[in-house]
Amino acid sequence: KNEVEQSPQNLTAQEGEFITINCSYSVGISALHWLQQHPGGGIVSLFMLSSGKKKHGRLIATINIQEKHSSLHITASHPRDSAVYICAATSGGSRLTFGEGTQLTVNP
Amino acid sequence: DTAVSQTPKYLVTQMGNDKSIKCEQNLGHDTMYWYKQDSKKFLKIMFSYNNKELIINETVPNRFSPKSPDKAHLNLHINSLELGDSAVYFCASSQGVTSGNTIYFGEGSWLTVV
Repeated sequence: KNEVEQSPQNLTAQEGEFITINCSYSVGISALHWLQQHPGGGIVSLFMLSSGKKKHGRLIATINIQEKHSSLHITASHPRDSAVYICAATSGGSRLTFGEGTQLTVNP
Repeated sequence: DTAVSQTPKYLVTQMGNDKSIKCEQNLGHDTMYWYKQDSKKFLKIMFSYNNKELIINETVPNRFSPKSPDKAHLNLHINSLELGDSAVYFCASSQGVTSGNTIYFGEGSWLTVV
């Protein structure tokens, strides 16, 4: 069992829908990252959080340390949001443990 | 200007060959990484360097050898390439080794061993 689990693995939505991707981790962490990987392959860091909630445009990331759970929300989804979303946890130092990713497809 | 750049982007080579992937970052970061993404898109860390010093060395065959000539560069050398080495290799960097720093990724290098 992976130390970082994501759900769902695949998600298809219609443009405009509210989207939630979940991430659970089984180890104590000091920070959790949400990454976005586009079809071209490049990886971009969306959020890094260790508590509470962060918002950037239509993206919101939350984390509940007690429940070892984080969520990534996308409001008013758009086809350009189609990508793989990856959560990754650091339990100390710079070592990241990755989830398996969630493939999101937003149809027009 | 690309913050983390790696070359080549695509590499097709025969089994048994030796190849290198180069990585450079212009962000002034102290820490650089190599990650491997397999065919199932799962990312795993291979190596991490801080100020040219190796700090993470996961269970990776010793055919893989990182080299950091200075803190802006971390190159990956692979000897005696095998079919299973086919993957996408990502270089990344961050400021320092604490877990609270954003990580910046390169565009990836697609390695195909035939």
